[in-house]
Amino acid sequence: SAVISQKPSRDICQRGTSLTIQCQVDSQVTMMFWYRQQPGQSLTLIATANQGSEATYESGFVIDKFPISRPNLTFSTLTVSNMSPEDSSIYLCSVRLAGSYNEQFFGPGTRLTVL
Amino acid sequence: AQKVTQAQTEISVVEKEDVTLDCVYETRDTTYYLFWYKQPPSGELVFLIRRNSFDEQNEISGRYSWNFQKSTSSFNFTITASQVVDSAVYFCALSALSGTYKYIFGTGTRLKVLA
Repeated sequence: SAVISQKPSRDICQRGTSLTIQCQVDSQVTMMFWYRQQPGQSLTLIATANQGSEATYESGFVIDKFPISRPNLTFSTLTVSNMSPEDSSIYLCSVRLAGSYNEQFFGPGTRLTVL
Repeated sequence: AQKVTQAQTEISVVEKEDVTLDCVYETRDTTYYLFWYKQPPSGELVFLIRRNSFDEQNEISGRYSWNFQKSTSSFNFTITASQVVDSAVYFCALSALSGTYKYIFGTGTRLKVLA
């Protein structure tokens, strides 16, 4: 496995503001993903973070709302822009490690509450 | 289309009882992967097991065992002699080529183990 850290671990934000979440991995990574988990729900894939190029977004998610950067192989950021209470969720990054069989390992998550 | 169904929303057992969590999947791919994750109250997703479609051997790891049956498209998870620390939400996930190996998560089963 790998050590995956996320910052911040939790935050309470005001409506209309933006929050940037960081994800750092200590191992060689082939792919990085960002997920959202709304309260009491399953995980929904937001996008695949591509190194050095624009992220690949899933249906229902757009770059203006969730800009993602991945400047190198082991680091990525997700910004939640112009937040509303509906954005209150856990945001998780996950990685697929080099040499793995397709399993993903998840970071500890960022608990976001929007007032 | 690919789909994962976890029909059990919540299960409660008394400590030391055995419990089985059901997972039924749908895919037309012949090559695919199945996973189980544990999400304790702290929120992080813990990887438990990966099974690929060509390996139907059942697996046992301590008190945990998994039964993979292609004939019924099921990948069930049994905890023997459950403990309070097993209390968590458990997710089953599917990953297949036609979905570019992205995860399709089930809705999760909340397990409560009572002392």
